[in-house]
Amino acid sequence: AAGVIQSPRHLIKEKRETATLKCYPIPRHDTVYWYQQGPGQDPQFLISFYEKMQSDKGSIPDRFSAQQFSDYHSELNMSSLELGDSALYFCASSLSTLGSGLNTEAFFGQGTRLTVV
Amino acid sequence: AQSVTQLDSQVPVFEEAPVELRCNYSSSVSVYLFWYVQYPNQGLQLLLKYLSGSTLVKGINGFEAEFNKSQTSFHLRKPSVHISDTAEYFCAVSRRGTYKYIFGTGTRLKVLA
Repeated sequence: AAGVIQSPRHLIKEKRETATLKCYPIPRHDTVYWYQQGPGQDPQFLISFYEKMQSDKGSIPDRFSAQQFSDYHSELNMSSLELGDSALYFCASSLSTLGSGLNTEAFFGQGTRLTVV
Repeated sequence: AQSVTQLDSQVPVFEEAPVELRCNYSSSVSVYLFWYVQYPNQGLQLLLKYLSGSTLVKGINGFEAEFNKSQTSFHLRKPSVHISDTAEYFCAVSRRGTYKYIFGTGTRLKVLA
């Protein structure tokens, strides 16, 4: 079965550079979530999109922005990178509960490991 | 708002022994509850979930959890662990109707030979 695809899997950037992370949700999933997991930390919710509109916002820095495109893939854009941005970034997708019934969940990609040097 | 507390940061246990990983949550609204496992340098794999219905939930790899609304707990149990169960385990909660997760701080399960 198709899963959530994230690219790239690994990314190394220098301080003050920009990075773009991509997420391709499971086909027909209309909701995308982004999480950041720092070293030894639990995943923290950043932002989510439903039907290409931002649906919720968490602890996402102003230097970060994200969007969901017409094909439902999503991109997380990170500017003026700092050392503290080094983390594993997860994308997850789900079918909105309006159309899904009860038996579902958010499915996670394998993550993009960003290292800022 | 929701929050999750995982009471044990590390749990060492001998192979073939039973284990319980504790999770308590706080929420003013109805929630969904999940347990995820993360192996080193890997993504998050769903072990089991409670959405509604029976409070005893069975998941993959022999794990099960029981939703206790009065104690606001969702403890994870396995009757006999294997070396391969060594990993980080995260309890997560989301408000009913969404899948925006709030994760606990994780419990590192270390299975000893």
